[in-house]
Amino acid sequence: GEEVAQTPKHLVRGEGQKAKLYCAPIKGHSYVFWYQQVLKNEFKFLISFQNENVFDETGMPKERFSAKCLPNSPCSLEIQATKLEDSAVYFCASSPFSEGYTFGSGTRLTVV
Amino acid sequence: GENVEQHPSTLSVQEGDSAVIKCTYSDSASNYFPWYKQELGKRPQLIIDIRSNVGEKKDQRIAVTLNKTAKHFSLHITETQPEDSAVYFCAGYNNNDMRFGAGTRLTVKP
Repeated sequence: GEEVAQTPKHLVRGEGQKAKLYCAPIKGHSYVFWYQQVLKNEFKFLISFQNENVFDETGMPKERFSAKCLPNSPCSLEIQATKLEDSAVYFCASSPFSEGYTFGSGTRLTVV
Repeated sequence: GENVEQHPSTLSVQEGDSAVIKCTYSDSASNYFPWYKQELGKRPQLIIDIRSNVGEKKDQRIAVTLNKTAKHFSLHITETQPEDSAVYFCAGYNNNDMRFGAGTRLTVKP
């Protein structure tokens, strides 16, 4: 399809629980990006993929965060042992050439 | 990597006035500069972009200018309307590395 599909739209987790977010990029787009947007609106880059390969993971917290993009499956972002400060909207974007992003609608993660 | 700074963080204008948002970037090799508009609770959407071989680009009421020497680029919105109210993000891109500015919350007062 022509949309980047992110699921779920909302996710509530108790502190310490695991959270898993999904992103289906636009068909034919080779690049996938994950961003974290907290209340002050700033986008924090987390990780990017070129197909199933990690392209840039310089923004990923070293612990607790992991991500995958496997063939024929939605990409995923997983947070182990969530903390209150992980509460944010997580946006996925895809692109055919690693520029000209199309964003998904985001997943709002609330850690309580 | 690229570092993009954006100013101002908030901007309030009267309907019909112009709005200007400015960004600077650090990596002289950056060659693509998109602007995104994000309405409350919605996804960012690309509104205009410019490449480094162009100094200015216009699309109806929106224009973007790029000064490669000074490493800054600006978004200009003329004849602002209340529906222009949103958060605007600039970004700089080089070699598969795109970084966003911190955003500008634009409010257009009727």
